[in-house]
Order: sequence, then structure tokens, then C-alpha cells
Amino acid sequence: AQSVSQHNHHVILSEAASLELGCNYSYGGTVNLFWYVQYPGQHLQLLLKYFSGDPLVKGIKGFEAEFIKSKFSFNLRKPSVQWSDTAEYFCAVNALHTGFQKLVFGTGTRLLVSP
Amino acid sequence: EAGVAQSPRYKIIEKRQSVAFWCNPISGHATLYWYQQILGQGPKLLIQFQNNGVVDDSQLPKDRFSAERLKGVDSTLKIQPAKLEDSAVYLCASSPVTTGGDNEQFFGPGTRLTVL
Repeated sequence: AQSVSQHNHHVILSEAASLELGCNYSYGGTVNLFWYVQYPGQHLQLLLKYFSGDPLVKGIKGFEAEFIKSKFSFNLRKPSVQWSDTAEYFCAVNALHTGFQKLVFGTGTRLLVSP
Repeated sequence: EAGVAQSPRYKIIEKRQSVAFWCNPISGHATLYWYQQILGQGPKLLIQFQNNGVVDDSQLPKDRFSAERLKGVDSTLKIQPAKLEDSAVYLCASSPVTTGGDNEQFFGPGTRLTVL
């Protein structure tokens, strides 16, 4: 069965610091990878996704993620965080063994950015 | 474009009672998902519909949970009887296409269920 590991449950940063959130998955076949974000009081929304091509994916609000197949990783990065990036971040994987999408989510990382 | 609607937003019940949640997906979205998110965990898929048919319900505790999407539009998720461990946020999501692993799922605000 697929699983997704997010290494950090809580991260606290100051504004302008760089961010990297780890995500590893267990599945040997072809995958689609996602990062979702949930801002306080808001719905889960898509931050970025990888499905093929360039393994460096750029998303909204200056976020990017790099798919490293050999490491089964899809880490999220942002060079300079803002207070408004305070949110919970979820990595998710869809294993393409069926035609339908079935997302498996990690446990999430709560990011707090202090002004 | 209106988002995914869910109701109620909050529900408190006692164990062994029954409860139902409602979801109206984004107009035209063929695929609908129900997730359970327990505090401190990521969302876990309970059931997935394509139009009015079930695609995947392998993680749905069928002895107490049921879901339907009769006309291929809105959906209800029911728990009967509820247990303490059912306390969670129940999320509904929809996506515009029926196949393809790279589809974006659009999530509703969720229903927070507390079972006492």
C-alpha cells in the first residue's frame, strides 16, 4: 500500500527565512504528486502538482517542489517565507495503477511564520 | 464559480446516534470524494464516486458508514451508529474529469463532527 511521510509536524520560521518541507512516499511505480495547503479558516487548496516532465515544479505564491525519483521524494521549497504563508501543508501521492485518482495524504506540516 | 458546499459545518452527537452530512460539488464535476480527517492526520479517502457510481469504497467502514450520490450531483454520507472514534472533519471534494491522475481536487470547508 502507498504511504506518504512528512518529516516535520511543526515548523516555526521568521519572515524572509527559507523553507523546505520534506515529503517521501512509498510506491515503486509511476506517481502523480501534489502539495495542498490549508490556510487558517480556509479550505484545502492545491499549491502545485507534478505529473510528468520537468521535475522542478513551480506553484502559486512562489512555492516550488522538486521530484527526485531515486529518493522517492517531493520536497516543497520557498526561498523567502512571509507571515501569510502560515498554514498547514499536505503532501499527497496518486499511484497510477488504476485510471482513477486516489490520493494518499501525509500527516501534514504546520508552518508558523513569525513577523 | 461556486465552490464545493457542505453542511452542516459542525455537528455534535452522542455515541450510538446517527448523523448525515451533505455535499454539493462544483457544477459539472463528475467525480466526488468523501474524506475523513482525524485531528493530527491527513485526509483519508472514504469513498469515491464517478457520476452516480462508486469507484472506490475500500476504506469505508461499511458496517456503520454509507454514502450515496443518486443523481450524480450532490451526495450524502451517513454514520449509523456513531462511535467516539468517528470524531473528525469530514471533507468532500470534487474534480472535473473522471480519469487521469493529475486532476486537481477541489475541497469543501468540511463538517466537524464531535461524538460524545
